[in-house]
Amino acid sequence: GQQLNQSPQSMFIQEGEDVSMNCTSSSIFNTWLWYKQEPGEGPVLLIALYKAGELTSNGRLTAQFGITRKDSFLNISASIPSDVGIYFCAGLETSGSRLTFGEGTQLTVNP
Amino acid sequence: GAVVSQHPSWVICKSGTSVKIECRSLDFQATTMFWYRQFPKQSLMLMATSNEGSKATYEQGVEKDKFLINHASLTLSTLTVTSAHPEDSSFYICSASSLGEGLGRETQYFGPGTRLLVL
Repeated sequence: GQQLNQSPQSMFIQEGEDVSMNCTSSSIFNTWLWYKQEPGEGPVLLIALYKAGELTSNGRLTAQFGITRKDSFLNISASIPSDVGIYFCAGLETSGSRLTFGEGTQLTVNP
Repeated sequence: GAVVSQHPSWVICKSGTSVKIECRSLDFQATTMFWYRQFPKQSLMLMATSNEGSKATYEQGVEKDKFLINHASLTLSTLTVTSAHPEDSSFYICSASSLGEGLGRETQYFGPGTRLLVL
């Protein structure tokens, strides 16, 4: 089946630093989604990408849909303690189909 | 963004009882909803895809007679864990598919999750 390789698995950074994480796939996706999950809660959608090459920002977050449609990255600028959580990428092949998830990146921000 | 609710947020039950979890899309209609299970420090594991008005599609290894899914309307899907056992204790999360911005711009929104503890 399809797999998404997400890296890094975990990051320990200082407040104010920038963060970058990415996902790669062996298959093409038509939609890339980035979610953040905090303990005991469901994933919250951060950014949705629908077009190859698309670069989208949401506040301090920026994500890009790779040209090959097989990868995506998420950047967080000037991190703050509340950025702590697990970040998941997810790919969607076609409308109504299941999401394929990355393994998640655990982000820890030290004040 | 769109809002998906789940009820209850947590439940404790005795072994052998059944538990029903509701998933509602509050401000949009969802023809497709998904049920996931998540173990600590792991990614979400898809259990089944729920389509309004038809039978759910279960992932391999998920017992359909144990995890009953009903998607009776465009805003409500339910998951019933029948004859629950301690190994069913987990975090159950639903998601709903939204075509809010039209075809080719589908997004999936997740509920807040339901923590199930079977004693």
